[in-house]
Amino acid sequence: GAGVSQSPRYKVAKRGQDVALRCDPISGHVSLFWYQQALGQGPEFLTYFQNEAQLDKSGLPSDRFFAERPEGSVSTLKIQRTQQEDSAVYLCASSPTGIYGYTFGSGTRLTVV
Amino acid sequence: QKEVEQDPGPLSVPEGAIVSLNCTYSNSAFQYFMWYRQYSRKGPELLMYTYSSGNKEDGRFTAQVDKSSKYISLFIRDSQPSDSATYLCAMSGTDSSYKLIFGSGTRLLVRP
Repeated sequence: GAGVSQSPRYKVAKRGQDVALRCDPISGHVSLFWYQQALGQGPEFLTYFQNEAQLDKSGLPSDRFFAERPEGSVSTLKIQRTQQEDSAVYLCASSPTGIYGYTFGSGTRLTVV
Repeated sequence: QKEVEQDPGPLSVPEGAIVSLNCTYSNSAFQYFMWYRQYSRKGPELLMYTYSSGNKEDGRFTAQVDKSSKYISLFIRDSQPSDSATYLCAMSGTDSSYKLIFGSGTRLLVRP
């Protein structure tokens, strides 16, 4: 597609529920990134894929967070046993390679109640 | 203390004004400096990208990097109401250059 597509746009989860957030990157983009943006803050790095390989997951806040990109295209960010502090916008970005040309999606706004 | 500091604003200016947005940072290893614009309920959109120190101009936008002061700026000339958005600075080092460290963003409102 023309841009990075994320679904769902909005997700309300009850505390303790598992959620899965999807990212469709720009076709052909090798690099894929997930960021978390809390209200009134800048995005914070979560994880980085190059093709299907997860090269950096240092930003994942706990072992409840898991990301995958099994075929080097679509990626899923999964959060298990959601907590209120997980409420944020989750942004996905892709790039042909490296840092220049990062294109962000519009994000998934997760609200945990 | 955060690695990147940015005044949250809001900054309100009349149409046509010159806008100055700034960030300071603490990590001297940062080499890549970017400015993003984020409209409400949208993802950040890259405006300017600078490597190391110096100035870069693109249309109404000028980015400046002063590594000796650990200070970066974005100037917007002839500001328009459509420039109203949150402006985020971001930076990274040569090690793990893909990992962007963002400021918290400055909200800009350009009044018609």
